Amino acid sequence: DTEVTQTPKHLVMGMTNKKSLKCEQHMGHRAMYWYKQKAKKPPELMFVYSYEKLSINESVPSRFSPECPNSSLLNLHLHALQPEDSALYLCASSRSGSRQETQYFGPGTRLLVL
Amino acid sequence: DQQVKQNSPSLSVQEGRISILNCDYTNSMFDYFLWYKKYPAEGPTFLISISSIKDKNEDGRFTVFLNKSAKHLSLHIVPSQPGDSAVYFCAAPKSDTDKLIFGTGTRLQVFP
Repeated sequence: DTEVTQTPKHLVMGMTNKKSLKCEQHMGHRAMYWYKQKAKKPPELMFVYSYEKLSINESVPSRFSPECPNSSLLNLHLHALQPEDSALYLCASSRSGSRQETQYFGPGTRLLVL
Repeated sequence: DQQVKQNSPSLSVQEGRISILNCDYTNSMFDYFLWYKKYPAEGPTFLISISSIKDKNEDGRFTVFLNKSAKHLSLHIVPSQPGDSAVYFCAAPKSDTDKLIFGTGTRLQVFP
């Protein structure tokens, strides 16, 4: 089983709203990732959690706030987003976050900011 | 600075024939490469990987070839099937982290 689940599948929010994206995996993986993908572009890394600790923040604006409540769950809290933040947000996980490991992706949340 | 490049944005192949997708990289420190397939509005699905200690890895219809001296890898799909129609990304982890650097993708269309 290499399944990573993400909810919601679609989200529309205004610039003053607060919302959260959720990601879950039950593969026992200890590294989890958030990526952002704009249309016709490759995925770009936002955050990495390794053993529930934030290990990489790719200079993401503070209106995006990640949280890793436990080893199976990863959240991305959104507040005061801009229309240019509209994108597909992808969650991924890997066994331990070491380099030569496969990252498994969820289906993504398609976010539209109005 | 695009460290992983896929210079062909699209490829069209007839069903049953071979599809060859290419990827070039600039960082000689890259030592592990992955190919992902992506359907619209879905997350990337892992296909196959290769370590730099090998020059070929095969899994069913998918074979990845690595030419380290040319800093080039290719994904061969044979025989191609209509269900293979998707965008294919090559990716490599950055040298000192597990951060994946993705290529820009190649859209493969397999027609009957």
